Amino acid sequence: AQSVAQPEDQVNVAEGNPLTVKCTYSVSGNPYLFWYVQYPNRGLQFLLKYITGDNLVKGSYGFEAEFNKSQTSFHLKKPSALVSDSALYFCAVRDPPTTGGKLQFGAGTQVVVTP
Amino acid sequence: NAGVTQTPKFRILKIGQSMTLQCTQDMNHNYMYWYRQDPGMGLKLIYYSVGAGITDKGEVPNGYNVSRSTTEDFPLRLELAAPSQTSVYFCASSPGQVLQPQHFGDGTRLSIL
Repeated sequence: AQSVAQPEDQVNVAEGNPLTVKCTYSVSGNPYLFWYVQYPNRGLQFLLKYITGDNLVKGSYGFEAEFNKSQTSFHLKKPSALVSDSALYFCAVRDPPTTGGKLQFGAGTQVVVTP
Repeated sequence: NAGVTQTPKFRILKIGQSMTLQCTQDMNHNYMYWYRQDPGMGLKLIYYSVGAGITDKGEVPNGYNVSRSTTEDFPLRLELAAPSQTSVYFCASSPGQVLQPQHFGDGTRLSIL
């Protein structure tokens, strides 16, 4: 079965410092990996995805993610964090289309960026 | 652009009552999903649909029912509400291709007392 794990419940970072949110995955076959962000009282918003190709994926709001097959990781990164990046971040892996293309989410990582 | 619209935004139910959470999308997406979000648990899939007239169970379907009579609408029915169903419910949709991201509504916050 497809699954992802987010080992950190919360990440604290000062504004202007680099931000990393960790995610590891377990899949059979090719991984289809996604990052979503959730702001308070809102639904999830898509940030970026990895399907195939370059291991460094660029997404919305200056975020990028690095796919590492040997470490089965897909960490989300931002070179310089903003206070407005404070939110709940979810890593997800998508099932193959033959099983409905369902998303399996991690538990989420709360990011707190302090001024 | 409306995207995915969920109603109501908030609701309080008494134990044993029933209700329907509404979800509609205007993007002509074939795939639609219902999730529940509990603190520290991520999102769990309740039901999903790959097209009008086709629905299937997700990870946590007990106590819920769905129907999909049109491409646009995917209502979620709670029968005999229980305190364990207190949660935030999200509806999402996506095109038929697995590579495309899901689009989420803003959720319905439901309390069962």
